[in-house]
Amino acid sequence: DAGITQSPRHKVTETGTPVTLRCHQTENHRYMYWYRQDPGHGLRLIHYSYGVKDTDKGEVSDGYSVSRSKTEDFLLTLESATSSQTSVYFCAISSKDWALVGEQFFGPGTRLTVL
Amino acid sequence: QKEVEQNSGPLSVPEGAIASLNCTYSDRGSQSFFWYRQYSGKSPELIMFIYSNGDKEDGRFTAQLNKASQYVSLLIRDSQPSDSATYLCAVEAAGNKLTFGGGTRVLVKP
Repeated sequence: DAGITQSPRHKVTETGTPVTLRCHQTENHRYMYWYRQDPGHGLRLIHYSYGVKDTDKGEVSDGYSVSRSKTEDFLLTLESATSSQTSVYFCAISSKDWALVGEQFFGPGTRLTVL
Repeated sequence: QKEVEQNSGPLSVPEGAIASLNCTYSDRGSQSFFWYRQYSGKSPELIMFIYSNGDKEDGRFTAQLNKASQYVSLLIRDSQPSDSATYLCAVEAAGNKLTFGGGTRVLVKP
């Protein structure tokens, strides 16, 4: 299995609080992705990174920010959590780009509940 | 309109039969297509990818691509109960990104 971990694995928080999720990889892959998964919506891309300090928005980036100060870590921050951000969050990594971008390895996921 | 469409299922198939899953996409410029399997409560894992029109076989799995009609399909031959999972179709989008469909849930009954 690809060396990718996520922390925390479960979190319950209250509306309006800040939350940071961490993705850590030991594969030295260039690309890292944050997705959220909700029933009926499949996986939706929040943000992604193509190198240290190089990030870009995905299709559902509003309310989220990211940072990547080291190759191995990609942080996702909810500045002020809302109930609509209750979801399962997956981090993914890849060493491939362009046509091979789909060869991604996923972390175990973080289940976030915002009350 | 969602860019990648899949029937949500569940697709119920008897053990040993062929499961046929379909996926349509809207971006004619997409070049590569991926199938992920996701067991309940687990993370997705890549099982197949295809770039060229036609069929690609890997064990009991066959991916089929028709770019003119903008669909990609996955066949699972000799279906086993362990194949019961949700299958996600993903399409490469411009800018090193993937767009996923909503997934098709497959139930293989012994």
